[in-house]
Amino acid sequence: DQQVKQNSPSLSVQEGRISILNCDYTNSMFDYFLWYKKYPAEGPTFLISISSIKDKNEDGRFTVFLNKSAKHLSLHIVPSQPGDSAVYFCAASGNSGYALNFGKGTSLLVTP
Amino acid sequence: SAVISQKPSRDICQRGTSLTIQCQVDSQVTMMFWYRQQPGQSLTLIATANQGSEATYESGFVIDKFPISRPNLTFSTLTVSNMSPEDSSIYLCSVGQGSDTQYFGPGTRLTVL
Repeated sequence: DQQVKQNSPSLSVQEGRISILNCDYTNSMFDYFLWYKKYPAEGPTFLISISSIKDKNEDGRFTVFLNKSAKHLSLHIVPSQPGDSAVYFCAASGNSGYALNFGKGTSLLVTP
Repeated sequence: SAVISQKPSRDICQRGTSLTIQCQVDSQVTMMFWYRQQPGQSLTLIATANQGSEATYESGFVIDKFPISRPNLTFSTLTVSNMSPEDSSIYLCSVGQGSDTQYFGPGTRLTVL
């Protein structure tokens, strides 16, 4: 049963615009959320995370928003750059262990 | 973050054989994990590699099929035993230092014929 869902398999955005990637989860015990970026033939690269005690975390062009009541988080990239084109994975973990539960990923294409 | 390497980066294997994947970290880490990403699917945790003791397997994964070793704090191996085409996946190791953030190796792309 998929506990972390990324319902958009792909997203195309123009360079300079905002990219918004969405993620939903079902397990209310999750308390830590992460976004990873993955290029072909490489492992996932950690981007940004957020704890359940916060509703926003920002790091440069990347901001993650968490809405606990809706069990929803989103990653905003602004401004988007062609080098941001990759697959983005949302992941979540709970305080019962370190296992990361991943979504299936969203493929972002940033066009010049 | 730690630098993580995996060997081999890719392999093509025959049904019924076994493959051992190595994961090397450039510094001592508390936690090491093995994940699998089947085609078109998300990453799934296979097991936590425990230093000096047996690995902790997730539901659906067993030691006979995926034996894991972790002889020290910088190295671990995952063996995929008696392979079938359904084992064709990307296998990734990850490390954590006690925080919840995990860092991943480059992955091993396995194709079983």
